[in-house]
Amino acid sequence: ELKVEQNPLFLSMQEGKNYTIYCNYSTTSDRLYWYRQDPGKSLESLFVLLSNGAVKQEGRLMASLDTKARLSTLHITAAVHDLSATYFCAVDSGNDYKLSFGAGTTVTVRA
Amino acid sequence: ETGVTQSPTHLIKTRGQQVTLRCSSQSGHNTVSWYQQALGQGPQFIFQYYREEENGRGNFPPRFSGLQFPNYSSELNVNALELDDSALYLCASSPEAWREGYEQFFGPGTRLTVL
Repeated sequence: ELKVEQNPLFLSMQEGKNYTIYCNYSTTSDRLYWYRQDPGKSLESLFVLLSNGAVKQEGRLMASLDTKARLSTLHITAAVHDLSATYFCAVDSGNDYKLSFGAGTTVTVRA
Repeated sequence: ETGVTQSPTHLIKTRGQQVTLRCSSQSGHNTVSWYQQALGQGPQFIFQYYREEENGRGNFPPRFSGLQFPNYSSELNVNALELDDSALYLCASSPEAWREGYEQFFGPGTRLTVL
């Protein structure tokens, strides 16, 4: 069974500083997704990474994928309060048609 | 373009009852997946429907069942509700080419509380 691990699970960020969230997964896959979830809300798609070495950036967020290491990172540059949310990575093994999610990283940005 | 919609938004049931949740997929999408998200956890895959057929199932008991209709909308039915079924139920749709790694688009969810 595909396992997805995120760390840290909780991240308290100071405004203006840089941070990284890590997503490790247990089986071969070259399809990884990052989602954002605000409290009580649904999942908002952030990035779709479909190949080894893929890097995507949107505003202060940048995601990358290393399929050989089975690792994706979500890098946050100069954190701002609006980035407070829970971030999930999800992996598509390609074999059983489902997304397997990590437990999520709850981010709080403080002044 | 209309996104994924779900109804109802909130629902309160008691143990042993049955519930039906509904999902309308995004225009042009023929694949619908259902996920259960317990409080403080990541979503867990329940099952997927592709062109009206179940196309994969997660580790959920048979009392979780579903349907997909010709217009690709879908229902999730849960029988004999248990307290642990309390969760946010998310529906996600994806296009024909989902096998090629296209993303799933999530609806707003239905919050089910079982008392």
